[in-house]
Amino acid sequence: KNQVEQSPQSLIILEGKNCTLQCNYTVSPFSNLRWYKQDTGRGPVSLTIMTFSENTKSNGRYTATLDADTKQSSLHITASQLSDSASYICVVSPIRSNYQLIWGAGTKLIIKP
Amino acid sequence: DTGVSQDPRHKITKRGQNVTFRCDPISEHNRLYWYRQTLGQGPEFLTYFQNEAQLEKSRLLSDRFSAERPKGSFSTLEIQRTEQGDSAMYLCASSPSGSGETQYFGPGTRLLVL
Repeated sequence: KNQVEQSPQSLIILEGKNCTLQCNYTVSPFSNLRWYKQDTGRGPVSLTIMTFSENTKSNGRYTATLDADTKQSSLHITASQLSDSASYICVVSPIRSNYQLIWGAGTKLIIKP
Repeated sequence: DTGVSQDPRHKITKRGQNVTFRCDPISEHNRLYWYRQTLGQGPEFLTYFQNEAQLEKSRLLSDRFSAERPKGSFSTLEIQRTEQGDSAMYLCASSPSGSGETQYFGPGTRLLVL
């Protein structure tokens, strides 16, 4: 069964600190892996997208990494800000489908002043 | 604003009533998706349109659920005889055609069935 699992389930850090969120997946083969940010009560917004051949992708203070051998991805947030408080969801596109996405449950990140 | 819009943003209804949600995608996107999301979970795929054609329906989409996209632009999702288990956030997304295109999400419609 295709699965995307994320850890931790929730995380609280102080403003200005760095953090790393983890994503393990069993979806194989896949065409790309995305990280979405979802603010409470809002729709998800795409942060990064990586194909299976890419190792890293940055978007400002967000850096995603991908290890296709171990089927792991991480999202690193540098110098966190209060506005980073949100859920971060790892999403994998199976290669058999060019539109269906396999979603993780997300990591809820809270930044405290 | 040229993003995906959804209406209404919130809906409270009594069990057994019918509800209809609307989604207006980004105008040049010909793909449209409906998802359902419950608290603490990622979105669950419900259905997908390529222009006006509904190409895929999840097993989650029981016969009480119906979606349309009559002119290949906006879409509606109707839930008949609502049940308390239908309470969730209903998200709409759109994307261009092509493999691996990013889906752009609307703000969602939060449904509460009493």
